[in-house]
Amino acid sequence: AQTVTQSQPEMSVQEAETVTLSCTYDTSESNYYLFWYKQPPSRQMILVIRQEAYKQQNATENRFSVNFQKAAKSFSLKISDSQLGDTAMYFCAFMKTNTGTASKLTFGTGTRLQVTL
Amino acid sequence: KAGVTQTPRYLIKTRGQQVTLSCSPISGHRSVSWYQQTPGQGLQFLFEYFSETQRNKGNFPGRFSGRQFSNSRSEMNVSTLELGDSALYLCASRPWERDSYNEQFFGPGTRLTVL
Repeated sequence: AQTVTQSQPEMSVQEAETVTLSCTYDTSESNYYLFWYKQPPSRQMILVIRQEAYKQQNATENRFSVNFQKAAKSFSLKISDSQLGDTAMYFCAFMKTNTGTASKLTFGTGTRLQVTL
Repeated sequence: KAGVTQTPRYLIKTRGQQVTLSCSPISGHRSVSWYQQTPGQGLQFLFEYFSETQRNKGNFPGRFSGRQFSNSRSEMNVSTLELGDSALYLCASRPWERDSYNEQFFGPGTRLTVL
């Protein structure tokens, strides 16, 4: 079974600053996906960024980037130039496989990020 | 394309009752998954349906069940409601394409309160 751990229940960052959210996971799988999802107060879960385990290059999406350390089973999210709209719960998630066959997301407990003026 | 829709958005029931929640996936998506979100247990996978068949199931009691229709719409049912069933129930859909990445898109959720 897979587990995902987020050790930071809450974090705060000032607007325009950079913040890093931590995530570690445990799995015996060699091929898998890792994700960061954002859940704002409206509760709609939105995919922020994904990383395929077989890719060594860290994924980036505009202001969002990850630091994927496969050997250490670490997957952190860096948000640059934080904006008020980034205020949300952030969930780290693991998926064993995604290509058509049955699969499921295993989520961490989440980090509540507050962006302040 | 319209996003994933869930109805109703809010629901209040009493212990012992049963409830049915509905999820309409994005047009063309053939897989629907359900998740339960509670403050205590976090986000937990309930089940996934594809082609009207349950493909994967989480660790929930038999009171939780689901089904999928030929148009890919899905319903989940909870019988004999307990206080602990109070949660946000999220539905997610994906295309179900072999050998390619299938992003899951989430609906806004149904907030169930059991009194």
